[in-house]
Amino acid sequence: DTEVTQTPKHLVMGMTNKKSLKCEQHMGHRAMYWYKQKAKKPPELMFVYSYEKLSINESVPSRFSPECPNSSLLNLHLHALQPEDSALYLCASSQEMPRGRYEQYFGPGTRLTVT
Amino acid sequence: GNSVTQMEGPVTLSEEAFLTINCTYTATGYPSLFWYVQYPGEGLQLLLKATKADDKGSNKGFEATYRKETTSFHLEKGSVQVSDSAVYFCALRGTGGFKTIFGAGTRLFVKA
Repeated sequence: DTEVTQTPKHLVMGMTNKKSLKCEQHMGHRAMYWYKQKAKKPPELMFVYSYEKLSINESVPSRFSPECPNSSLLNLHLHALQPEDSALYLCASSQEMPRGRYEQYFGPGTRLTVT
Repeated sequence: GNSVTQMEGPVTLSEEAFLTINCTYTATGYPSLFWYVQYPGEGLQLLLKATKADDKGSNKGFEATYRKETTSFHLEKGSVQVSDSAVYFCALRGTGGFKTIFGAGTRLFVKA
């Protein structure tokens, strides 16, 4: 099973709402990632978790809050978002070591619209 | 720092035409190189990979060879189909790090 699943597929939220994006993988990967992708652009890295610990935060605003409850799950909590945060949010996972050697497996994404 | 440059699109081809999408990179050490494909409304899928010089990655009729002397990883397919219409991203991962460096993406349109 080489699948990364994400829910929901689509999300519309107001600027005062709180919502969460969920990601799950059962490949035994110990590195998990959140990316943001705007139209006609490559994905931009937001966060990296390694062995359930936050390893990289690419200076993401605090209105995005990641969480890794266990080795299979990754959440992204959203609060007080702005319209410019509307994008496709992609989750990915990969084997951990040797670092940088392995490909990432991407989920189908959550299409987020902030109104 | 590491970087990836790929040819700008869109690329428009007729069905059964030969495809080349150029990709060159700048990196220290010996990165792993990847091609990902993104179909409309979907996430990225790994198309092929190469982890050392002279490796050839291949999948679904697509091929790319890791050329260290020219720092290139060009994507080729001998006969494209309408179903190959998508955005193609060249990418690299440096040794020792988590980050994937993506090229800007090349949109391919294949006409019947």
